[in-house]
Amino acid sequence: NAGVTQTPKFQVLKTGQSMTLQCAQDMNHEYMSWYRQDPGMGLRLIHYSVGAGITDQGEVPNGYNVSRSTTEDFPLRLLSAAPSQTSVYFCASSYTGQRNYGYTFGSGTRLTVV
Amino acid sequence: SQQGEEDPQALSIQEGENATMNCSYKTSINNLQWYRQNSGRGLVHLILIRSNEREKHSGRLRVTLDTSKKSSSLLITASRAADTASYFCATPGRKLIFGQGTELSVKP
Repeated sequence: NAGVTQTPKFQVLKTGQSMTLQCAQDMNHEYMSWYRQDPGMGLRLIHYSVGAGITDQGEVPNGYNVSRSTTEDFPLRLLSAAPSQTSVYFCASSYTGQRNYGYTFGSGTRLTVV
Repeated sequence: SQQGEEDPQALSIQEGENATMNCSYKTSINNLQWYRQNSGRGLVHLILIRSNEREKHSGRLRVTLDTSKKSSSLLITASRAADTASYFCATPGRKLIFGQGTELSVKP
């Protein structure tokens, strides 16, 4: 089924460990983005990309890296996990400009850092 | 960046009643979108209204847009318990930033 696929769905990390959250879409969307959602904080934009090879920072980029080598994939890397990065992470994608008819979200990755 | 701010933050109604949520934004837009998030799940796109439209319907959803006031409203008619969720507005741009959302609780 077409959509945004996030893996893993759940992850527990120890402080200081690194990991990559995967996001893939098969709709040929130019725009992809990562959000984190914490209780009472709504969704906060971490990083986004408007096309392959182009990435930019969102509201809360510190501690996270991204790359966009293909249109389909937009992995989020946690360099050295901290308890403050315990959150639910969502990936979203869309067409850009006038072809933007809405964003498609993945089902989320629930990350706990202990 | 684009941003929507929803109001009220929380809304509790009985099944069968109508629910109205409001959204304000800051800059000029091409379109405004509403999303629903059920607990623990990703956001689902509900409806999009373009800047040259004043009202749009989709099933039990009615969205209005007032570009002069930079505001939009989402009306859910004849609400059901299954409508219980958080609702967000968003104005697409290079940075898609969401507000805190409106938490709707529909009691049977």
